[in-house]
Amino acid sequence: KAGVTQTPRYLIKTRGQQVTLSCSPISGHRSVSWYQQTPGQGLQFLFEYFSETQRNKGNFPGRFSGRQFSNSRSEMNVSTLELGDSALYLCASSHRGGMPGELFFGEGSRLTVL
Amino acid sequence: DQQVKQNSPSLSVQEGRISILNCDYTNSMFDYFLWYKKYPAEGPTFLISISSIKDKNEDGRFTVFLNKSAKHLSLHIVPSQPGDSAVYFCASYPGGGADGLTFGKGTHLIIQP
Repeated sequence: KAGVTQTPRYLIKTRGQQVTLSCSPISGHRSVSWYQQTPGQGLQFLFEYFSETQRNKGNFPGRFSGRQFSNSRSEMNVSTLELGDSALYLCASSHRGGMPGELFFGEGSRLTVL
Repeated sequence: DQQVKQNSPSLSVQEGRISILNCDYTNSMFDYFLWYKKYPAEGPTFLISISSIKDKNEDGRFTVFLNKSAKHLSLHIVPSQPGDSAVYFCASYPGGGADGLTFGKGTHLIIQP
């Protein structure tokens, strides 16, 4: 069974630009969540989607948004990029019946904002 | 305000000995606590979890202890092996379909030969 796939793996943007990151969950997993990892703040929850609906949202500004498609694939978008948005963005999927809180993470998309 | 704290950024342990990683939390409403392990250039992987109604959970070489009165949990790895060298994240999960995981900042465990 293929794992969680994230694209692109690495990207460089400049301040003010926008970026879209993509995530394909494990087949059969309908819940997708996104996390931001930075050296100073660690792993922080961005949002979670289930059946194309955002179920939960972390404490991030409105520049961070996401969506989920009918095939459970998800995208997240960051608009008007700031230097502080440089981070590793991790996508994770999970399924009903799994251990509570057990997430399956992708390898991440490393964003550098110059 | 950090709800989950890992106060040791790094820990060095000799191969074969016990590794003990610690985590403190502030919110008594968390239903589950989990440990994730992360190698460089890979995403975190789930290691072990414990429900808030238990005080111990074992899985092979890994045991997690929960002390609710102290709001403290620990992960014991016995015996430690070179492949255990990684960053370990403690996380809390409120359960009930609520917000996502709240992670600590991680502890880098280094197993010395």
